[in-house]
Parts: sequence; C-alpha cells; structure tokens
Amino acid sequence: EDQVTQSPEALRLQEGESSSLNCSYTVSGLRGLFWYRQDPGKGPEFLFTLYSAGEEKEKERLKATLTKKESFLHITAPKPEDSATYLCAVNSGNTPLVFGKGTRLSVIA
Amino acid sequence: DADVTQTPRNRITKTGKRIMLECSQTKGHDRMYWYRQDPGLGLRLIYYSFDVKDINKGEISDGYSVSRQAQAKFSLSLESAIPNQTALYFCATSDAGTSTDTQYFGPGTRLTVL
Repeated sequence: EDQVTQSPEALRLQEGESSSLNCSYTVSGLRGLFWYRQDPGKGPEFLFTLYSAGEEKEKERLKATLTKKESFLHITAPKPEDSATYLCAVNSGNTPLVFGKGTRLSVIA
Repeated sequence: DADVTQTPRNRITKTGKRIMLECSQTKGHDRMYWYRQDPGLGLRLIYYSFDVKDINKGEISDGYSVSRQAQAKFSLSLESAIPNQTALYFCATSDAGTSTDTQYFGPGTRLTVL
C-alpha cells in the first residue's frame, strides 16, 4: 500500500529564515511525486511534479528535490505570503494520488 | 473563468436532508474525483471516475453516492446528511493522456450539517 508521511506537521519561520519540508514515501513504483500549496479554505494549487531520483524543480523561493525515499521542499528566504499548507502526493500507477496530511507553514514578518 | 467549478460554495443543512454537490470542468479531462478535507486528517478520497461509465469507491464512500452525468460533470450526493459529514469538499480532475495524472482542484464547497 502506498504511503506518504509529511513532517513537520507545522512550521513557524521568521521572514527570511530558510528551511525545508519533508515528504517520505513508500510506493511500489513511482510515476510521479507532486507538491501542492493550499491556502485556508481554498483548493490545493499544483506546484511541481518530480519523476525520478535526483530531479530538482524550482519556482520563485521554492525548490523541490527527490530521492528514492523522500522529497524535500526547500524554502529560501520566505516571505509572509508563503504561509500556507504544503501537500505532497505520489502516483504509483493507474490509481488515484495518495496524499500526505500536509505541513502548515507560517512565516512571520 | 475557472477550469474547475463547484456549486454551491457554501451550504448549511439539517440532519437527514439530501444534499447534492456539483462539479463542472472545462479542462477536457476524463478523470474526476471527490475528496473531503477535515482538520488534521488531510484529503480523503470519496469516489473517483476515470470516464463516464466508470465509478469507483474511494477510502470513505459510506454515506455518499456519485453520478457522472457527462465527461465534464461529476456530482456528489449525501442521501441523508449527518453532522460528521460537515467538512470541506473538493472536486478534482486529471488527464489520463498524461504520464503523471496531475490533479487540478476546484475551489471547494464548505458543507455544514446541523
């Protein structure tokens, strides 16, 4: 059974204080690992897909990396507007995505 | 215009009432999904449909039913609503023609059952 575990559950950062969110996964055959951003009361917004170990993708202050067991979402010099819940999900084949419970990020000015 | 729309956006109802939540998409995707989200529990899959003639139960289908009226429309029904069905409900779509099946979400429906 595919599983996704995200840590920490919540993270509080000062503006400009870089950090990383972790997504550990167990999957039979990875076809893609996804990161989403979700603002309170809104639908998740797609950020990245990673396909294979060693791959990296960047968007503004966010960089996602992938190994065979986990993915990291690195946030460089975060701003208050980066505050959101970040969700990780995996796709292992012809079944729906399996989501983690998310990391709730708060960036304080 | 939004690619994935959900109606209503907010709904307050009473225990025992029948409720229908609707989802429409203009993305041309063949796959559609219904999730509910509760604080601390993350997104949980209720039902999904890979095409108009395909309906599958998800992790928490009890108390829910769905209808795929067309490629672009997927409705979720609560036959007899109960208070523990109070949650945020999201519809999502994806394209089977892509290798990764990225899901795109609607804005959500906040349902309160009194």
